[in-house]
Amino acid sequence: GAVVSQHPSWVICKSGTSVKIECRSLDFQATTMFWYRQFPKQSLMLMATSNEGSKATYEQGVEKDKFLINHASLTLSTLTVTSAHPEDSSFYICSAHSGLAGTSTDTQYFGPGTRLTVL
Amino acid sequence: DAKTTQPPSMDCAEGRAANLPCNHSTISGNEYVYWYRQIHSQGPQYIIHGLKNNETNEMASLIITEDRKSSTLILPHATLRDTAVYYCIVRVGWDYKLSFGAGTTVTVRA
Repeated sequence: GAVVSQHPSWVICKSGTSVKIECRSLDFQATTMFWYRQFPKQSLMLMATSNEGSKATYEQGVEKDKFLINHASLTLSTLTVTSAHPEDSSFYICSAHSGLAGTSTDTQYFGPGTRLTVL
Repeated sequence: DAKTTQPPSMDCAEGRAANLPCNHSTISGNEYVYWYRQIHSQGPQYIIHGLKNNETNEMASLIITEDRKSSTLILPHATLRDTAVYYCIVRVGWDYKLSFGAGTTVTVRA
């Protein structure tokens, strides 16, 4: 089946530093990838949609200058949390879209997640 | 997207079938029903999806009512490893976004 990887799986950083998280589709190409955030005991919240070769589209309330997204190739999207603060500590999950829209192959596959802790 | 309603939790016995209900009474004709699950501290795992016909794969079966206002995910022989939060999501074919609700916490007991 389709595999999506994330790196790193966990990271601890100091307040004020920037952290980059990579999301890769290993065995398929993904024009569209997504970034989610999940706080403890809560559901996933969509942060942004990442399209290869174009600017990301951010959900309402998500600061685009704080969460920089780059989708430079059909298999790689990156999320950079700039000037991280303790309130940015969360579980960050990416997903990649596969298949033809509106068909039985139309599916989104998720990475294993990255746990960010900001001290 | 149409909203979905799922029971917050359910228990099932290991080895028995687990039937997970989902209501989506406001679903429109071009919206698909997707099921994902999330095991603790992992990313969600795709299970199955369908439009109006029943679907089956190696993980589960999806039964969609004729009026499409509800569906049931069936795990045929639940194991302890099926303990997870299960999400039922409806999504239009042209919009790839998935909106996650609270899901159903399924606990499989030995």
